[in-house]
Amino acid sequence: AQSVAQPEDQVNVAEGNPLTVKCTYSVSGNPYLFWYVQYPNRGLQFLLKYITGDNLVKGSYGFEAEFNKSQTSFHLKKPSALVSDSALYFCAVSPDSGGYNKLIFGAGTRLAVHP
Amino acid sequence: NAGVTQTPKFRILKIGQSMTLQCTQDMNHNYMYWYRQDPGMGLKLIYYSVGAGITDKGEVPNGYNVSRSTTEDFPLRLELAAPSQTSVYFCASSYSTGKNTEAFFGQGTRLTVV
Repeated sequence: AQSVAQPEDQVNVAEGNPLTVKCTYSVSGNPYLFWYVQYPNRGLQFLLKYITGDNLVKGSYGFEAEFNKSQTSFHLKKPSALVSDSALYFCAVSPDSGGYNKLIFGAGTRLAVHP
Repeated sequence: NAGVTQTPKFRILKIGQSMTLQCTQDMNHNYMYWYRQDPGMGLKLIYYSVGAGITDKGEVPNGYNVSRSTTEDFPLRLELAAPSQTSVYFCASSYSTGKNTEAFFGQGTRLTVV
């Protein structure tokens, strides 16, 4: 079965420190990979995506993600965390098979950045 | 620029009642989706539509119905509400048929069935 795993329910980081939110996937073929962020009482907002090419993808708000095909991972990173980055982060995968733009979501990781 | 708008934001239903969750987008997107988000779980696709007049089931369609009479609107209907339908519902849209395009989400509807 196709799936996305976010192994950490919560990640705690001190402001100014680097952060990593982990994501691994299990899908057939060459998937497209996404990160979304959800702030309290808001809908999901697109952060970045990997389609092809350079394995390091840069996105909104200083976030970046590294695609690793051999490890089937797409970890989200930021060099210096801000308190305002505190939110719920979702990794999503769109398999290259299937007749529509299907997104498979991970369960989400809550990021807490402490002053 | 409104994007994807959902109404209502909150609703409490009694078991067996029915309701319609409204969703409209002003981006002229062909693709629209309904997801539900349960605590500790990722979003699950309920229904999707590839254009006006065309809808299809997603991963968890039981207990729901949809229609797509216009490009802009994609309402979700609950006919006989059950406690298992307590969830947060998100409508989304995307501008392309490509699987590499990101989706735009509404703010969500928090539904409680008691």
